Amino acid sequence: SYGLTQPLSVSVALGQTARITCGGNNIGSKNVHWYQQKPGQAPVLVIYRDYNRPSGIPERFSGSNSGNTATLTINRAQAGDEADYFCQVWDNDTGVFGTGTKVTVL
Amino acid sequence: EVQLVESGGGLVEPGRSLRLSCAASGFAFDEHAMHWVRHAPGKGLEWVSGISSNSGDINYADSVKGRFTISRDNAKKSLYLQMNSLRTDDTALYYCAKDASRDYGSFDYWGQGSLVTVSS
Repeated sequence: SYGLTQPLSVSVALGQTARITCGGNNIGSKNVHWYQQKPGQAPVLVIYRDYNRPSGIPERFSGSNSGNTATLTINRAQAGDEADYFCQVWDNDTGVFGTGTKVTVL
Repeated sequence: EVQLVESGGGLVEPGRSLRLSCAASGFAFDEHAMHWVRHAPGKGLEWVSGISSNSGDINYADSVKGRFTISRDNAKKSLYLQMNSLRTDDTALYYCAKDASRDYGSFDYWGQGSLVTVSS
């Protein structure tokens, strides 16, 4: 089955840039979606189809996807960005989530 | 405003059954695929099952195939998950999620979840 690998944790200084990777075999050929989940809350879509932002998501969030790695970038990180982040793709009509990355803002 | 409200969760013994429901409002329910996604304690998100807008395409994760059945009633704007032969590793918070498209795309809205605990 298809697997997506994310780093367990990423730390970023307040106001700096965080990059969260999502590795998968030829993931660049798939549409990648990213979700933010804060403790006790439902996930929120922050990037869809590699780099598109839903309405209401700050421009500080951006995405890219090429080769075997997709990346979610958070510019000018804020305390409110602390959360778990999950990438997601479809593989043969099966939904696949990444292992998840905990982002800590220092 | 899009709203998804799950119900039907609870404590159940291994081997028993449970049926989850999701009441949708605020969007054209019959124009969007719908999904169930679960979050087990201490683990990541796991997609469970999806159903296209007209129920013509239904898919399951290998972990639930043959035990769970997804269905929808577009007239009632409702999504269901019939869970049979429940196991302890099915314990999780189950989310109902709206797809942005008629088929399978991104999950643009989520409910608050319904907790299912499988234990003797």
